[in-house]
Amino acid sequence: GQQLNQSPQSMFIQEGEDVSMNCTSSSIFNTWLWYKQEPGEGPVLLIALYKAGELTSNGRLTAQFGITRKDSFLNISASIPSDVGIYFCAGQLWGGSNYKLTFGKGTLLTVNP
Amino acid sequence: SQTIHQWPATLVQPVGSPLSLECTVEGTSNPNLYWYRQAAGRGLQLLFYSVGIGQISSEVPQNLSASRPQDRQFILSSKKLLLSDSGFYLCAWGLAGRDTQYFGPGTRLTVL
Repeated sequence: GQQLNQSPQSMFIQEGEDVSMNCTSSSIFNTWLWYKQEPGEGPVLLIALYKAGELTSNGRLTAQFGITRKDSFLNISASIPSDVGIYFCAGQLWGGSNYKLTFGKGTLLTVNP
Repeated sequence: SQTIHQWPATLVQPVGSPLSLECTVEGTSNPNLYWYRQAAGRGLQLLFYSVGIGQISSEVPQNLSASRPQDRQFILSSKKLLLSDSGFYLCAWGLAGRDTQYFGPGTRLTVL
């Protein structure tokens, strides 16, 4: 199946630091989504991107839909301990089913107080 | 506002026993519904999706099945569980024609 390459796989940072993670693909996507999953819970949607070049913020989070439609990044500024979790990117493939998303394997974020 | 429920939250079952996990959505009509499994390795694997009552599409051949008896109810079943069925099962919903999916709280299944 289609692959989304999400990196890094894990990050260990100090409270207050900025974080950057990204997803890339060899295929074009219509939509990019970023989710956060805390232990034992379902993923929660953070940001949705629908247009190439779109830059969207949600509090300390900023995400961008790459111009080539093949990548997206998520930045977290001034990290805090509650940012801990697994961050997933997901996309709806250009020309693919309207009902299915392709998911990255996640970035595990650990924030040291 | 829309909410999604899953139950049970946790389940421990012996190998060979049947399974029934339930998912319900409130606050919307005719949603697309999805079942995912998340193994310890973190990736989300799409198992089934449904675009309407009685309409089920299977993504991965396995000993699981899904049914949608009502518009906002999605059930994941098995007649005989395998050890490999252990995992975290997530239900999600989305609006028809939209890409965004919203996840439920999940069910942790352990098969012993």
